[in-house]
Amino acid sequence: QKEVEQNSGPLSVPEGAIASLNCTYSDRGSQSFFWYRQYSGKSPELIMSIYSNGDKEDGRFTAQLNKASQYVSLLIRDSQPSDSATYLCAVGRNTPLVFGKGTRLSVIA
Amino acid sequence: DVKVTQSSRYLVKRTGEKVFLECVQDMDHENMFWYRQDPGLGLRLIYFSYDVKMKEKGDIPEGYSVSREKKERFSLILESASTNQTSMYLCASSFGQATEGTQYFGPGTRLTVL
Repeated sequence: QKEVEQNSGPLSVPEGAIASLNCTYSDRGSQSFFWYRQYSGKSPELIMSIYSNGDKEDGRFTAQLNKASQYVSLLIRDSQPSDSATYLCAVGRNTPLVFGKGTRLSVIA
Repeated sequence: DVKVTQSSRYLVKRTGEKVFLECVQDMDHENMFWYRQDPGLGLRLIYFSYDVKMKEKGDIPEGYSVSREKKERFSLILESASTNQTSMYLCASSFGQATEGTQYFGPGTRLTVL
């Protein structure tokens, strides 16, 4: 059974701080990694994808992948109240993506 | 722009009714997926399809069936709705031969079974 684990939170950070979200996965051969954001009552929307070890930056978001340690993280710089949402990690290898249950982030103004 | 639509945002049905949830994508994606999402349980895969008329069971297929007669449309069917099928249902699609690619989600259907 492939598993993707996330701390459910809530993770509370002050406005302007860096939010760090973490995800671990059990399938060592996983090849694709994604972060989705989901606002309450809405559907998940893609923030970033990452496929290789290292960092990938897109605006205020940075995804970090370490396949040896089987974790992927998402950093949100200069956090804003509008970033308050649940963040889902998803991992895939030759099968449909396996989603974590999500981490709820609360950015306090 | 990527577009996945679902037939209803909110739906209320009675126990025992047959329920159809429709999903349409306009990106010519090969793969389509149906999930349900419940508090504390996350996204759970019900069925997916990697080609027209092809379907595969996900993690929780019991009580559901699917139909994919055209590439752009993937239907979820609850043969006899039960109260434990009250949930948010999400459709998604992805491009390519592999099913582990980026998934794009529709807006979701919140189904209540009374």
